Order: sequence, then structure tokens, then C-alpha cells
Amino acid sequence: QSVLTQPPSVSAAPGQKVTISCSGSSSNIGNNYVSWYQQLPGTAPRLLIYENNKRPSGIPDRFSGSKSGTSATLGITGLQTGDEADYYCGTWDDSLSGGDVVFGGGTKLTVL
Amino acid sequence: QVQLVQSGAEVKKPGASVKVSCKTSGYSYISYDINWVRQAPGQGLEWMGGISAYSGDTNSAQKFQGRVTMTTDISTTTAYLELRSLRSDDTAVYYCAREGFRLTATYDYWGQGTQVTVSS
Repeated sequence: QSVLTQPPSVSAAPGQKVTISCSGSSSNIGNNYVSWYQQLPGTAPRLLIYENNKRPSGIPDRFSGSKSGTSATLGITGLQTGDEADYYCGTWDDSLSGGDVVFGGGTKLTVL
Repeated sequence: QVQLVQSGAEVKKPGASVKVSCKTSGYSYISYDINWVRQAPGQGLEWMGGISAYSGDTNSAQKFQGRVTMTTDISTTTAYLELRSLRSDDTAVYYCAREGFRLTATYDYWGQGTQVTVSS
């Protein structure tokens, strides 16, 4: 059972838009930055979004992030078949001594 | 360019220990923390802990405290993860990752992963 809650799967057609939600609490999302990662099959995760809504260099502006209260959202527009992957949100959780990094359970994106 | 290159796959028996290395290059090693994240087969990401490459200060997830040791070697710009008293549910791919901005869960570069299999 993950501390952050994501939908197990989402799907949309090529060219369409999809959003992936990440729900937490005041001890994690509510009080810390959120990052998003894309993991293609058999590869290491790749950073897509950091500090809620910033994109590293090389990440296209089709990917966006937002945060409101204790939830965060990843948006992907102009879907491509190459976007099929697992997506994870992550943040710090201050509820335990020293703090822990927590991740969502992951969302599998299917581009129909 | 920034690179994190991990050691090869390991097969261990229950109760044994494993040590995974993460050789870094292409950036100022002492300026960033290295974190360790693992992924069991078909499962999500699980944070294990992190280490300051400069000071060696560590912070590990409660779940692993007492079983994990993270170390850093500035002379070789290499970080290490040792996990002891291995169990079958420790079978996973273990990743090292550079934390781009401290204490923000921003992992901007990752190693390729090290498969650790625990089996009798």
C-alpha cells in the first residue's frame, strides 16, 4: 500500500490529452515539492517534472505538472505511442523522524 | 556528461549480504547526495535511503534501518549500498540516483540498475 495514491491505469488515443493524479496528505504533498518520473519497460526511471511544475532540460512542454493542497497532477498533451510507460509521483514525507521519500504506486499509460 | 554506472547482477542466498556500487562521473561528486531506490518484480519504486557524497551523513527508510549501510568514496566518486540478512522479498532491481536538489525527491540522473536475486 503506497503512501501516495495514483490510478493504476489511464488510457487515451494518440494526439489526445491525459492527466494522472497523485493524492497524499499534509505531511507529504501538502508540505513538500512533488516530482514525476516516467519509466519505460526495462529501463530506469526518468525525471519529467520537479518542484511541482518545472521541466528538466530536454523534457518537451507536452509534459506539465501542478499541485493543489495535498494532490498533484501530471498532464500529457499530444499523446504519442512512445509515451506508453509507467508514471510515478514522489515527494518527501515529514511524518517520520528524519523524513522519508515516498512514491505513488505508479500509473500505467496506454496510448490506444 | 553525467553518468552513474552500477555494478553487475548478483545472486545471493537468504541470510547473506550484498554490496552494490554506483560509479559516478561528469559532475562535482561532493555537491550532490546519492539516493538508493529499489523496485521488486512488477512493483513500484521504493526509497531506501540517501547519503551526502561529501560528509557521508545518511538517512535511511525505517524499514531498512539496521540492515542497510550506505557509504561514499570521494577518491573514486563511488557510492555503495550494502544490504544484510537478505530475504527472498529483497529480490529487486536496485537503482542509485543523484538528488538534483537536496531534500526535494528530485532524482535527475539514475544508474542503469542492479538486479539482486535472493534464492536458496
